[in-house]
Amino acid sequence: GQSLEQPSEVTAVEGAIVQINCTYQTSGFYGLSWYQQHDGGAPTFLSYNALDGLEETGRFSSFLSRSDSYGYLLLQELQMKDSASYFCAVREGTSGSARQLTFGSGTQLTVLP
Amino acid sequence: ETGVTQSPTHLIKTRGQQVTLRCSSQSGHNTVSWYQQALGQGPQFIFQYYREEENGRGNFPPRFSGLQFPNYSSELNVNALELDDSALYLCASSLDSPSYEQYFGPGTRLTVT
Repeated sequence: GQSLEQPSEVTAVEGAIVQINCTYQTSGFYGLSWYQQHDGGAPTFLSYNALDGLEETGRFSSFLSRSDSYGYLLLQELQMKDSASYFCAVREGTSGSARQLTFGSGTQLTVLP
Repeated sequence: ETGVTQSPTHLIKTRGQQVTLRCSSQSGHNTVSWYQQALGQGPQFIFQYYREEENGRGNFPPRFSGLQFPNYSSELNVNALELDDSALYLCASSLDSPSYEQYFGPGTRLTVT
């Protein structure tokens, strides 16, 4: 089966840097995505890593190590509006089957003034 | 370009009843995925449709079924509702099957009493 682990809660102050880790166990791994979800809102796509290394998109960066089955989301220059839940999601599938996204349980980020 | 829309926003049903939830995909997207999100949890994959055919299914019983129409709208049907079916139901559309970047609708909050 598949499983993803990420911390349930993280707290940081405005302007700081925070890293949200994600470890996964899955067969047929294709890549790791990150989504943000504000309370009462829809998940929105942040980033995707299919290959090892760092992907940077503005204040957000995401890293993947396939050999370690590990990734992280790095948020820099934190703002109050970054307070939300963050989900890692593996894109997975087997030969001949469709790819699907399997989500972790989410990390609740609270940014303090 | 319109985003993903879902209806209704909220719904209250009684145990044993049947429910149909609707989703209108983002223009041009040929894949739709449905997720169940319990409070404080990540979205759980129910199934996905690609060009009107189901091509992936998560660990949900057969009483969860769906349809995708030529205009890329879709339905999620749940028969014999149980109390544990109370959750936020999200649909997400993407180009191809599925892209790592999915566009989520705002969800339907289903309450089963």
